[in-house]
Amino acid sequence: QVQLEQSGTEVKRPGASVKVSCRASGYRFASYGITWVRQAPGQGLEWMGWISGYDAKTHYAQNLQGRLTMTTDTSTDTAYMEVRSLRSDDTAVYYCARDRVYDGSLYYYMDVWGKGTTVTVSS
Amino acid sequence: DIVMTQTPLSLPVTPGEPATISCRSSQSLLGRDDGNVYLDWFLQKPGQSPQLLIYTLSHRASGVPDRFSGTGEVTDFTLHISRVEAEDVGLYYCMQRIEFPYTFGQGTRLEIK
Repeated sequence: QVQLEQSGTEVKRPGASVKVSCRASGYRFASYGITWVRQAPGQGLEWMGWISGYDAKTHYAQNLQGRLTMTTDTSTDTAYMEVRSLRSDDTAVYYCARDRVYDGSLYYYMDVWGKGTTVTVSS
Repeated sequence: DIVMTQTPLSLPVTPGEPATISCRSSQSLLGRDDGNVYLDWFLQKPGQSPQLLIYTLSHRASGVPDRFSGTGEVTDFTLHISRVEAEDVGLYYCMQRIEFPYTFGQGTRLEIK
């Protein structure tokens, strides 16, 4: 069945970097993209960005520009999300979700989600 | 960015009773070329990942019970639950995806009375 498997819990110091993986299975990776969403403790959902599984084109949230990089590895059907210069307010659960393949293709929706990766930033 | 505003933020409901959650967008979510409304609804049950309930305004996702339905147009949208069950508790979010950045409503917490 269609699944997104995320990497495990991370604990980082302020100023460090974290890289979270999201491995897809059960579908053709290059036919979809991946959206990343995070949720700080007790807070709502925040869209972080999107990457195409076809050509690795990206769109990032303005407030994370310069600290965020999304990549894909088509040999392992895995998407990665890296946040640099971590701060305490980056503490959150990070989710990946299957999404559109091209930035102009509106007929896709986030129908499959990973279980989430907890990232804690603390000194 | 498109601002999404949900009401109410908290919704206590007696089992078997109906429930409605409203969502308003600061801009039209109507696709220029196809007339579709690019508004989705998600439910996040306690301790779980969000799950898709409704996509493109009114289409139920696979496996979603028919007691859930979505209506609305242009900038005003509603999620309807015809008869609330205990398993429906959690946080409900609307989200627009007509343009990047996607934006979510603040979330509505549905609880059982």
